[in-house]
Amino acid sequence: DAGITQSPRHKVTETGTPVTLRCHQTENHRYMYWYRQDPGHGLRLIHYSYGVKDTDKGEVSDGYSVSRSKTEDFLLTLESATSSQTSVYFCATSARDSDGYTFGSGTRLTVV
Amino acid sequence: QKEVEQDPGPLSVPEGAIVSLNCTYSNSAFQYFMWYRQYSRKGPELLMYTYSSGNKEDGRFTAQVDKSSKYISLFIRDSQPSDSATYLCAMSASGSGTSYGKLTFGQGTILTVHP
Repeated sequence: DAGITQSPRHKVTETGTPVTLRCHQTENHRYMYWYRQDPGHGLRLIHYSYGVKDTDKGEVSDGYSVSRSKTEDFLLTLESATSSQTSVYFCATSARDSDGYTFGSGTRLTVV
Repeated sequence: QKEVEQDPGPLSVPEGAIVSLNCTYSNSAFQYFMWYRQYSRKGPELLMYTYSSGNKEDGRFTAQVDKSSKYISLFIRDSQPSDSATYLCAMSASGSGTSYGKLTFGQGTILTVHP
């Protein structure tokens, strides 16, 4: 996935702890997105950004917050992790709002 | 009811078969339609992109959009074992002023092409 790096790739954390996932892009894309992927639900939008410091909620935003202080970085924070947030998290970017996405490789998060 | 419905399968076909994957949707504002392919433990990658109604062909892949029926399809000709993956449809109402490029995805169809 050229140009988009997600970190960490895998994480196991305990219920109630805060967790931050990072998405870093070198594409200079304006739009960035965080999705979660779960069996039976496909990809669901958590939060998105349409510019530096411009963010908004997606379909499943409860329990999550985001920040974008630079074009290249989009952070997703689970404020107090719960078992229902065990999932695979994908970051995606696009240059224009009519473009397709470029996805990162994903972060596999397990909350125990 | 979900905005985008996709049969999750799984779908298993022999090598060389023609594969048909489909999605239906309810939001008439959708005008950009895409298909993504996702290999196991990888991120999705854009396979086909179509604006509004019509057909688009790229090698063995053909995407069709019928906006009047709110129905999109992806056809794979001469399927190969390397086509085994999950295929996700996605669509966007970009251009409406507030969509910000947000894509709504189907659940994904798991396809296996066996030799």
